[in-house]
Amino acid sequence: DAGVIQSPRHEVTEMGQEVTLRCKPISGHDYLFWYRQTMMRGLELLIYFNNNVPIDDSGMPEDRFSAKMPNASFSTLKIQPSEPRDSAVYFCASSFLTSEKLFFGSGTQLSVL
Amino acid sequence: GENVEQHPSTLSVQEGDSAVIKCTYSDSASNYFPWYKQELGKGPQLIIDIRSNVGEKKDQRIAVTLNKTAKHFSLHITETQPEDSAVYFCAASSGGGADGLTFGKGTHLIIQP
Repeated sequence: DAGVIQSPRHEVTEMGQEVTLRCKPISGHDYLFWYRQTMMRGLELLIYFNNNVPIDDSGMPEDRFSAKMPNASFSTLKIQPSEPRDSAVYFCASSFLTSEKLFFGSGTQLSVL
Repeated sequence: GENVEQHPSTLSVQEGDSAVIKCTYSDSASNYFPWYKQELGKGPQLIIDIRSNVGEKKDQRIAVTLNKTAKHFSLHITETQPEDSAVYFCAASSGGGADGLTFGKGTHLIIQP
């Protein structure tokens, strides 16, 4: 398996623009997580899905952030409008059933100017 | 909820020496403690984990110890090598799946040649 695949690897955009991050989890994994990594706050859980259904979005910072999982092999994290403070590395991760082991993608480095 | 503190934030050691990273947790119900390694430009990857029914676990040059009474656990790397340079994250969970993981803020380990 190719592992968790995220795109794009790097995204540079201007304040106010819409940003869409994409993730393909490992085939057969039924949990999908979106994390944000910054120097100040470390790894923060934004939202996670189980069998394509959002379970906990309490980590989503505000209404500008939204996430969807239309099927078992694809998820998106959207920021609209983007702000400079959204600059961070965004990771997608997946896991299987009740396994505690997370498999992370390589991340998307987002820079909002 | 769970709170995980990790120290130090940066650790520099000479190649061949040992490195120790420490974490404390707040929730006495936590029973699973993984360590993730994040190399430059990549996502975190699980390197070792321990459950609360054991006090120590080893895997070649890395080991993890757990003190349930004091609610702290540590990662030990012996005979450090250049490829050990990375950011290391500890985490804690009360079990039942990866959705319960709380991460520390990470330690940047630098191996000096």
